[in-house]
Amino acid sequence: GNSVTQMEGPVTLSEEAFLTINCTYTATGYPSLFWYVQYPGEGLQLLLKATKADDKGSNKGFEATYRKETTSFHLEKGSVQVSDSAVYFCALKVGGFKTIFGAGTRLFVKA
Amino acid sequence: EAGVAQSPRYKIIEKRQSVAFWCNPISGHATLYWYQQILGQGPKLLIQFQNNGVVDDSQLPKDRFSAERLKGVDSTLKIQPAKLEDSAVYLCASSSQPGQGYNEKLFFGSGTQLSVL
Repeated sequence: GNSVTQMEGPVTLSEEAFLTINCTYTATGYPSLFWYVQYPGEGLQLLLKATKADDKGSNKGFEATYRKETTSFHLEKGSVQVSDSAVYFCALKVGGFKTIFGAGTRLFVKA
Repeated sequence: EAGVAQSPRYKIIEKRQSVAFWCNPISGHATLYWYQQILGQGPKLLIQFQNNGVVDDSQLPKDRFSAERLKGVDSTLKIQPAKLEDSAVYLCASSSQPGQGYNEKLFFGSGTQLSVL
């Protein structure tokens, strides 16, 4: 079946630190991969996506590269800010099937 | 552009009571989803509508949950009777694509937080 596994949180970093949130997936077929972010009190919103192997999605300083050989889509940011504190969800979609989400990773950034 | 609207924001009920949630998707979005997000877990799809037809309700507990999308716009999700394990955030999402696209981007509402006591 299709599933997403992401690293457990919370992740606590100081401002300007480097961020990595690991995400691996299992899929039948060729999925599109997504990162969604949920800020406190708000709904999930799409952060970035990649639709085929070796694609790099990027937005707001965040990046993730679709690695088919390792079935991974790790989220990275070179220098986090307090405003990046949120819950980050890795997700996949295969063709006409539903979007499947990971459990989420909570990020706290300290000033 | 107005986002996905959901109400109420919070709801507290006792077990065995009934509850209903409402969602108004982004104007023109044909596809509407209801997700259940239990604390510490990712959203789990309950039901998907394409216009006013059901596309996927395989994970909807049909003995107690029901949903409708009359006229292909607003949607309501109902639980009757509620159980303790139904405590969760209920998220509504919509998209402009038909649901079959690899690039489908979901737009989420802020959710309804349900506590069943």
